[in-house]
Amino acid sequence: GQNIDQPTEMTATEGAIVQINCTYQTSGFNGLFWYQQHAGEAPTFLSYNVLDGLEEKGRFSSFLSRSKGYSYLLLKELQMKDSASYLCAYMDSNHQLIWGAGTKLIIKP
Amino acid sequence: GAGVSQTPSNKVTEKGKYVELRCDPISGHTALYWYRQSLGQGPEFLIYFQGTGAADDSGLPNDRFFAVRPEGSVSTLKIQRTERGDSAVYLCASSRASGIPNADTQYFGPGTRLTVL
Repeated sequence: GQNIDQPTEMTATEGAIVQINCTYQTSGFNGLFWYQQHAGEAPTFLSYNVLDGLEEKGRFSSFLSRSKGYSYLLLKELQMKDSASYLCAYMDSNHQLIWGAGTKLIIKP
Repeated sequence: GAGVSQTPSNKVTEKGKYVELRCDPISGHTALYWYRQSLGQGPEFLIYFQGTGAADDSGLPNDRFFAVRPEGSVSTLKIQRTERGDSAVYLCASSRASGIPNADTQYFGPGTRLTVL
């Protein structure tokens, strides 16, 4: 299979912070994407990292370490509407996206 | 249109039948991708078009699957002799270009849910 892993499911509390990790192994790398997917809907683009470091975009931030093959998505001030699956995907040397299976995030009041 | 559109939104068919799924990408996007997604899984790559040509069809599972994009815009995914294992959500995505950082972010349509009875 594809060498990309993320936890299957996570639970967090409304108003809190959660970090969703993603690890990958690849010889060719052209960036790491995070998408949000609500049940029954299509994935929507959240973030793109191609250089090491943290990219902040409102309540969502994404981090990349290319040497470690590691990324995380950080969600702050969680809202009930953040309940969704979060998919990480890396772009390989052919510029194709290789997808993780997604992390189902459950937000509790 | 403003986003990627796909029709139909749902398709129920019988085993052995032929189906066509349509994707209308974002205007001006040259790259178009087809994926299928099963419950609890990430999207599975099927085929990618750059313009009118299929640049990579390595994800098509077998020769029952075929896709076209004759004018470089709308694409049709065609499945012959459908099998129950073909049941999935078929997603289409488009990007401004491919292979160019920050221009190759893929934007997805709402998908077509295919059910083969």
